[in-house]
Amino acid sequence: KQEVTQIPAALSVPEGENLVLNCSFTDSAIYNLQWFRQDPGKGLTSLLLIQSSQREQTSGRLNASLDKSSGRSTLYIAASQPGDSATYLCAVWVSGTYKYIFGTGTRLKVLA
Amino acid sequence: DAGVIQSPRHEVTEMGQEVTLRCKPISGHNSLFWYRQTMMRGLELLIYFNNNVPIDDSGMPEDRFSAKMPNASFSTLKIQPSEPRDSAVYFCASSETTGTSGGYTFGSGTRLTVV
Repeated sequence: KQEVTQIPAALSVPEGENLVLNCSFTDSAIYNLQWFRQDPGKGLTSLLLIQSSQREQTSGRLNASLDKSSGRSTLYIAASQPGDSATYLCAVWVSGTYKYIFGTGTRLKVLA
Repeated sequence: DAGVIQSPRHEVTEMGQEVTLRCKPISGHNSLFWYRQTMMRGLELLIYFNNNVPIDDSGMPEDRFSAKMPNASFSTLKIQPSEPRDSAVYFCASSETTGTSGGYTFGSGTRLTVV
């Protein structure tokens, strides 16, 4: 059974810091991995999607890497801003199914 | 495209009442998913449909929950009778699942409160 874990559960940093959020999964048989952002009381917004054949994806200040063999992904946020404050969730698309399994998320707070 | 559209945004109902949540997926997406989010359990997949057919409903917590997808542009999640422990945010998401490249697009969710 696929399990997805995110560390840390919560993170508070001063504005301007570069930071790394971690995601690990137990079964490497995945099609892709997606990082989402969720603001309080809102839905989930897709940030980056990495296919199983890819090693990383970049969008602006965000960079996500994928190491399928070790069951790990990282989301790197450069030069963090208060507007980055949100919960970040990773999800893996399980091979042979049509569904994502979600991690429990990392609550990020960037202090001005 | 307007994205995945859910209604209502908020629902407050009394215990024992029937609740119906609605979802319109993105046009052309052939998979639809219902999730429930709570502080204690995070995001839980309730059911998903592919080409309007329920594929996996193993996440539906009890027989009080039912979901339908009568056509490619509409799905409902019904709770009858509702209980206070059903209070949560319910999300609908859709995806293209041709091949394995698809990602999810989520709706804004329905916040359900059962009193």
